[in-house]
Amino acid sequence: DTGVSQDPRHKITKRGQNVTFRCDPISEHNRLYWYRQTLGQGPEFLTYFQNEAQLEKSRLLSDRFSAERPKGSFSTLEIQRTEQGDSAMYLCASSFGSGVTDTQYFGPGTRLTVL
Amino acid sequence: AQTVTQSQPEMSVQEAETVTLSCTYDTSENNYYLFWYKQPPSRQMILVIRQEAYKQQNATENRFSVNFQKAAKSFSLKISDSQLGDTAMYFCAFIISGAGSYQLTFGKGTKLSVIP
Repeated sequence: DTGVSQDPRHKITKRGQNVTFRCDPISEHNRLYWYRQTLGQGPEFLTYFQNEAQLEKSRLLSDRFSAERPKGSFSTLEIQRTEQGDSAMYLCASSFGSGVTDTQYFGPGTRLTVL
Repeated sequence: AQTVTQSQPEMSVQEAETVTLSCTYDTSENNYYLFWYKQPPSRQMILVIRQEAYKQQNATENRFSVNFQKAAKSFSLKISDSQLGDTAMYFCAFIISGAGSYQLTFGKGTKLSVIP
């Protein structure tokens, strides 16, 4: 399977702890996106990378959140000092090309539960 | 602000029948693209169909077709000959063209159940 992969698939943590998620995009996809999906809602955009450059960040991405994509390959999303409100599914997507219509391929997500 | 509204939280359809999922959106932009994504239970989200706002002709992909009404800002999805594998959450989404943004804006979704 050469689709987008995410690790871990599930994460349970205690409030105040730091967590880090990893996303491996489809090989050679130059764009990578992070979304957050809470129960009963559609995905909400967090941030996007073109190669290694982080070009767009949502206001949802508070100071406690940081994302990186070193060397334009895999990406990590870190949440510091987690809060119960951070409990959600974190989705990663990747695409290839230069246009807004390039299909975003989604990974299976990482479900975060903050106790 | 861009918003997407899916007014049907849940729907069901008999296998082999036709069902239509509703979507309305709000944007002040004129150039954008619309999408329907499908998220099967415990599986990743996949693109079902897309529509360019500048095209009047409705998009079709096999059993899936859309009814795009730009003036009404409406973008419904019709699934013909429903199959058990169509059971999923369906999300309507759009993206603005030419604004330098690549974020998809999603609705809350419609849970579709196909009944044997």
